[in-house]
Amino acid sequence: EAGVAQSPRYKIIEKRQSVAFWCNPISGHATLYWYQQILGQGPKLLIQFQNNGVVDDSQLPKDRFSAERLKGVDSTLKIQPAKLEDSAVYLCASRPNRGYNEQFFGPGTRLTVL
Amino acid sequence: DAKTTQPTSMDCAEGRAANLPCNHSTISGNEYVYWYRQIHSQGPQYIIHGLKNNETNEMASLIITEDRKSSTLILPHATLRDTAVYYCIVRVQNDYKLSFGAGTTVTVRA
Repeated sequence: EAGVAQSPRYKIIEKRQSVAFWCNPISGHATLYWYQQILGQGPKLLIQFQNNGVVDDSQLPKDRFSAERLKGVDSTLKIQPAKLEDSAVYLCASRPNRGYNEQFFGPGTRLTVL
Repeated sequence: DAKTTQPTSMDCAEGRAANLPCNHSTISGNEYVYWYRQIHSQGPQYIIHGLKNNETNEMASLIITEDRKSSTLILPHATLRDTAVYYCIVRVQNDYKLSFGAGTTVTVRA
């Protein structure tokens, strides 16, 4: 079974530029999550999708971050404009719809903002 | 969700059992204890979870105290590949959101 795919794996940009990350969850997984992991900290949930609807985006800095999952499969996370403090690893995870406790994580995208 | 407290780091010898403690003194009756680990440059990986009974799977064992205020993850025969950050998370089973702390950095030494 293929895992959660993310691209790119690494991205370096200058502050005030825009960047987008892509996630392809495991086939059939209805729930998709985006996390931000700053160096030395645990992952922090940014947004949760159920199919193509947003379940929780309370921790998403909406003035600069946006995310979408238009067809209930792939998802993109965008930052516009980026700040230095956005330097982090952005992790995508997915989970089947019912009765399953485990989230499956992708390898993440490491963003460096200069 | 209840907060958890874990040691910042620990070392263990290859081939020996690694015992990772976690305190969750404010855990509620309907909250489960979950363990994930994160190997360098990878996303977190689910290990095991439990409510009040001890649990074992192919990766590890989970021992939860009778009062449920603390637990121990046991890696029975640690290998170098077990070097990772281990996260103890407490949550209600039907709320699948994960709140990660800083975890315990476990270094397995040859």
